[in-house]
This record gives sequence, structure tokens and C-alpha cells, in this order.
Amino acid sequence: DVKVTQSSRYLVKRTGEKVFLECVQDMDHENMFWYRQDPGLGLRLIYFSYDVKMKEKGDIPEGYSVSREKKERFSLILESASTNQTSMYLCASSSRIHQETQYFGPGTRLLVL
Amino acid sequence: QKEVEQDPGPLSVPEGAIVSLNCTYSNSAFQYFMWYRQYSRKGPELLMYTYSSGNKEDGRFTAQVDKSSKYISLFIRDSQPSDSATYLCAMSAYRGGGADGLTFGKGTHLIIQP
Repeated sequence: DVKVTQSSRYLVKRTGEKVFLECVQDMDHENMFWYRQDPGLGLRLIYFSYDVKMKEKGDIPEGYSVSREKKERFSLILESASTNQTSMYLCASSSRIHQETQYFGPGTRLLVL
Repeated sequence: QKEVEQDPGPLSVPEGAIVSLNCTYSNSAFQYFMWYRQYSRKGPELLMYTYSSGNKEDGRFTAQVDKSSKYISLFIRDSQPSDSATYLCAMSAYRGGGADGLTFGKGTHLIIQP
């Protein structure tokens, strides 16, 4: 059974803190994605990685960075959290062979105070 | 130019009804079309995938793509209360999204009344 896990379901941080969101997939997928989901705005791509140490900016990369040191793990970093980064963060992965299928994790609800 | 339009609802129908969910888009380069279902407080799960124009059926679900009109639909027959969820359309010019990921609609919240 395919699985994408995210380190936290709920997270509360203060403005200015450095925040790490971790995502792990056990499907040996090459591609991994970070999205944020906001009411009225839908899902928006933050960053994408198609291989270890490779990354591509999505639609809204400002204020975020990512790290992919191992194939199964993709981290999203908020260098200095701000209140407008309060959101639901979703990680997804897909294989190179079956790229049409993205598998999503359960999401992390981040609240920045 | 990546805009995808989807009515947010909520759409409330009685159990057993046929449900029609729709998205329109403006980017003629899109050729891969997906429907995801998202239950409350969960991540989206892929429901249907189609390439280019045409129909695809899977059980009670049928996906239709009309590229000439830039319009896609998801039909649910014999709707059940367990179908209550938010349905997201997604599309891409590249298989699986490639470097651009997927462009999502904002989702339609569907409620099936028992």
C-alpha cells in the first residue's frame, strides 16, 4: 500500500521562527512536491523535486526553501515564518514511469502566530 | 496562463441522484486531466485520469473532456453519502505535471443527503 507521511498533522509556531516540514514516501518515487492549500485559493505548488538534490520553483516559492538529500525524504523550510504562511501544507510524490498519479500525504496544518 | 475555474459549491443533492461536477480552463496546452477527491482533514486522492478528449468510466464515475470547449466534467451515478467530499479538478500540459506540477481548480464541496 502506497504511503506518503508528513511529520506533523498540526503545528503552531511564532512569527520569525524557522520551521521544518518533513515528508517521507515509501514508494521509491523520483518526483516529490510541496503544495499549500488555502480556502478560496485552492492548491498551489511551492516547490518540486525530480531527483535527489534537485529542486524546481513552483508558483509561490517566496519565503520557502526545500531540501532533498535522500530519495524518500523532501523537506520544506520556512526560513522566518510569517502569519501569511498559516496554511495547510500538502506533500505529494509520483514515479517517473507513472507520472500521472500523484499520491498525497495527510497534510500539515500550520498556524503562525 | 494557468487559470482553472471550478464552482466551489457547496452542491447538495439527495442520495441516489446523478451528480455533475465541472471545470473550465483557458490554457489550450493542457492535455492531462485528473479528478481528485478530498475528504475533510485528509490529503487529496486520485479518482480519475484522462488524456486528451473523450470519456472514461470507472464504476459509478465518468470523466469527460471536451478540449474544443476547454471543459471537463465528472459524473457520479447513484450518489452515496460516502461521496460527500471536496472534488478537485487538476490538469497539466505534461504527464503528471512535470516541472510545473499540476494546476488545480479550487474544488467543489459536494454533500450527499441521506
